Order: sequence, then C-alpha cells, then structure tokens
Amino acid sequence: QTVVTQEPSFSVSPGGTVTLTCGLSSGSVSTSYYPSWYQQTPGQAPRTLIYSTNTRSSGVPDRFSGSILGNKAALTITGAQADDESDYYCVLYMGSGSFVVFGGGTKLTVL
Amino acid sequence: EVQLVESGGGLVKPGGSLRLSCAASGFTFSSYSMNWVRQAPGKGLEWVSSISSSSSYIYYADSVKGRFTISRDNAKNSLYLQMNSLRAEDTAVYYCATKGYSYGYHFDYWGQGTLVTVSS
Repeated sequence: QTVVTQEPSFSVSPGGTVTLTCGLSSGSVSTSYYPSWYQQTPGQAPRTLIYSTNTRSSGVPDRFSGSILGNKAALTITGAQADDESDYYCVLYMGSGSFVVFGGGTKLTVL
Repeated sequence: EVQLVESGGGLVKPGGSLRLSCAASGFTFSSYSMNWVRQAPGKGLEWVSSISSSSSYIYYADSVKGRFTISRDNAKNSLYLQMNSLRAEDTAVYYCATKGYSYGYHFDYWGQGTLVTVSS
C-alpha cells in the first residue's frame, strides 16, 4: 500500500519562509508523480495551489512555489502571512494502480 | 465562473444507501474528468473515485471498491456517486472536483461539499 508522508505540523513566523515536504514511504518522489498541493482552512473546500510539481494554479500568489528537493516534493511559502495558516495537502499521481494518493496533510501555524 | 454544487448528503443507517449528485456549470463538463474526494470529521482528504470525460475510465479507492459507483450524465452536466452498504467510516464531507488540464493528474475546481453521516 502506497503511503504519502507529510509533516503533521509546522510553524513559521510572519514574513518567514517555510518548506513543507511530501514523500513516499517507499521510494523517491519525482516529477513523474506530478505532485500537486492544496490549501484548506477549517470548514472550507480545498484550494488548488500547485500542480505538475511547480505550476501555480490561477490566482495563486508567487509566494507559493513547488519543487523537488532530494527525494521529496516540496511546497515553499516565502513571506508567510497570517492567512497562510491552513492545512496543506499534497497529492501524488500513481498511475493505474492506486491512481492518486493524498498525503496526511500538514497543519501550518503562523506565529 | 466554474461552479460545482453537491447535494444528496444526509443521515443514513449502516448498511444503507445514498446517492450524491454534483451539478456543474461554467465550463464544458463533457470535456473533463471528474472526481469525488472525501474528508472524515477532523481527518485529512481522501480520494474516492474518478471518471473520465466519456465514462470510459473509472477508478475507485480500495476502501470503496465494490460498494460505490461513480457515474455522470454529460447531457445534464452532472456527476453522481451511488453509495451502497454504507459504514460508519464512510461518514465524511464529500467533495466533487474537476481534473485539471495538464499532464498527470490533479484536482482543479472544487465544490463546497455535502455531508454524509452513517449512524444508527
């Protein structure tokens, strides 16, 4: 069974930079998994931030960027703002087997 | 403006059935793959099922395979999820979402969700 791993929680100071990661329990994440990232605040639907590793979705500020760092996908937020305090989820495309798998999510605190 | 509006959620007893609908507007529904994603109370997001634009390709998570059926009606711009043999662990907010236009697979637009509660 494919398990996608994310840090359960992270904190960042206002104006600071934070990098959240998305890995595999077995193996490395590459661009072939087309990693995508989603932001969700409590009680709201998810919002798409990044897809295909590093493409920002329409309307997403360039403070959000995606990449591959080592053997993981990464979401970097530069100049963190109070309203960036949210849950962040990554998704990996596994192909016809597991198809797509969500990571467990990272709760980001801005303080 | 893209709009996805889910409906059909509610309270159902274990072993019961429910049919969710997602009404789409603001885009060419028949050209896009569609998806259901759910979120149990206090938990993370979980992919449930996907269907290609012409219904040729359908995928399910192992947790719902054999119990849930995804379908669509392109003439009505609607997506459906028939849920049978419901269990307590199916309790969740169910979101419909479009597939984004890109290589690979990602979710693009999301509805606001409909709550399904499975309880006796």
